[in-house]
Amino acid sequence: EAAVTQSPRNKVAVTGGKVTLSCNQTNNHNNMYWYRQDTGHGLRLIHYSYGAGSTEKGDIPDGYKASRPSQENFSLILELATPSQTSVYFCASGDWGGRDTQYFGPGTRLLVL
Amino acid sequence: DAKTTQPDSMESTEGETVHLPCSHATISGNEYIYWYRQVPLQGPEYVTHGLQQNTTNSMAFLAIASDRKSSTLILTHVSLRDAAVYHCILRVVQQGTGSKLSFGKGAKLTVSP
Repeated sequence: EAAVTQSPRNKVAVTGGKVTLSCNQTNNHNNMYWYRQDTGHGLRLIHYSYGAGSTEKGDIPDGYKASRPSQENFSLILELATPSQTSVYFCASGDWGGRDTQYFGPGTRLLVL
Repeated sequence: DAKTTQPDSMESTEGETVHLPCSHATISGNEYIYWYRQVPLQGPEYVTHGLQQNTTNSMAFLAIASDRKSSTLILTHVSLRDAAVYHCILRVVQQGTGSKLSFGKGAKLTVSP
């Protein structure tokens, strides 16, 4: 059973529209992360969270909001989607346990037209 | 995260042992060496990590130079499933909060039958 799931797996949005990407984890990890991955840029951190109710800005937070309503769920919100936000988005969960390992979801492919 | 240098690509054949090098000449004393791998259309997967001593697990052997300025991920008896992009990254592990990941291009390992 997959421990980190993302929905939707694929999404086509229009410029200016609102997009919500959802992530659920069953690892009982405190930390959750949203990354985007683009060719030529590798993996870049957008927002992260240390627990329910907390969100922190990552390296590229502009144009994105995050919400962590519970231990299990972490959402990434694009209030006004732009074509530059076309990318693959990965959610991950992790926790301090001597390893600081992160477990990734399968990714969401977002196309903004 | 401090910079690491990896070859863009490496090739191997099933059953061989593969040595994936990583250079990190400016590594700090509190930085761990982590390896993740990623196959197309999937999220990154943790492989192994180490600080000073060589480490081994079911996936790989990590050899760390005595001056810690380089490391080598050793994959034995590679199979087609080991074909992936391998990322060598440095982490300052923060107990209690975890830490973000930042991937570059990594090294693409191709495995031939």
